[in-house]
Amino acid sequence: EAGVVQSPRYKIIEKKQPVAFWCNPISGHNTLYWYLQNLGQGPELLIRYENEEAVDDSQLPKDRFSAERLKGVDSTLKIQPAELGDSAVYLCASSPRDNYNTGELFFGEGSRLTVL
Amino acid sequence: AQSVTQLGSHVSVSEGALVLLRCNYSSSVPPYLFWYVQYPNQGLQLLLKYTTGATLVKGINGFEAEFKKSETSFHLTKPSAHMSDAAEYFCAVSDPNSSASKIIFGSGTRLSIRP
Repeated sequence: EAGVVQSPRYKIIEKKQPVAFWCNPISGHNTLYWYLQNLGQGPELLIRYENEEAVDDSQLPKDRFSAERLKGVDSTLKIQPAELGDSAVYLCASSPRDNYNTGELFFGEGSRLTVL
Repeated sequence: AQSVTQLGSHVSVSEGALVLLRCNYSSSVPPYLFWYVQYPNQGLQLLLKYTTGATLVKGINGFEAEFKKSETSFHLTKPSAHMSDAAEYFCAVSDPNSSASKIIFGSGTRLSIRP
């Protein structure tokens, strides 16, 4: 069974440029998460989707960050414009709908963003 | 609000020695507790979890953790370290009673194994 796939793995951009990250969850997983992981820190939730609906986006900085999950499968996280402080690893995870509260999240390898 | 504190951002042990990674939590309700492991250049994967029932839980690769309510702890142990155990370990907590629950991760402990 294929795991959670993220791309790109690495991205280097100049500040004020836009950037987008893509995530393909495990087939059949209704719940999709985007997490932010700063260096030396644990993952922090940005947004959680149940199918195509964003059910928790309270931690998403909406002035520059946006996300979508069209058709309830793949998801894209966008930053526009990027700032120096956005340098971090962006993790995507998925879980079957009834697992979201039991902690069994399946993570991708992450997308490491460097903003110069 | 829930939180997790991992004591020690870096732990180094010799191969064959006991591994002990410490985790303390704060929660107003009986929590669900987890340990995740992140190997170099890989995503996080669930190592073990406590939800209800037996307080000593066993996970993959010989790891186990014990939920101690009186100490608000969920320390991770392994009797004998192996070189392949070198990784970042994250303790996490969630509130099983919240429909909008989200998992709160600790800041992580990097485990190094000395030959």
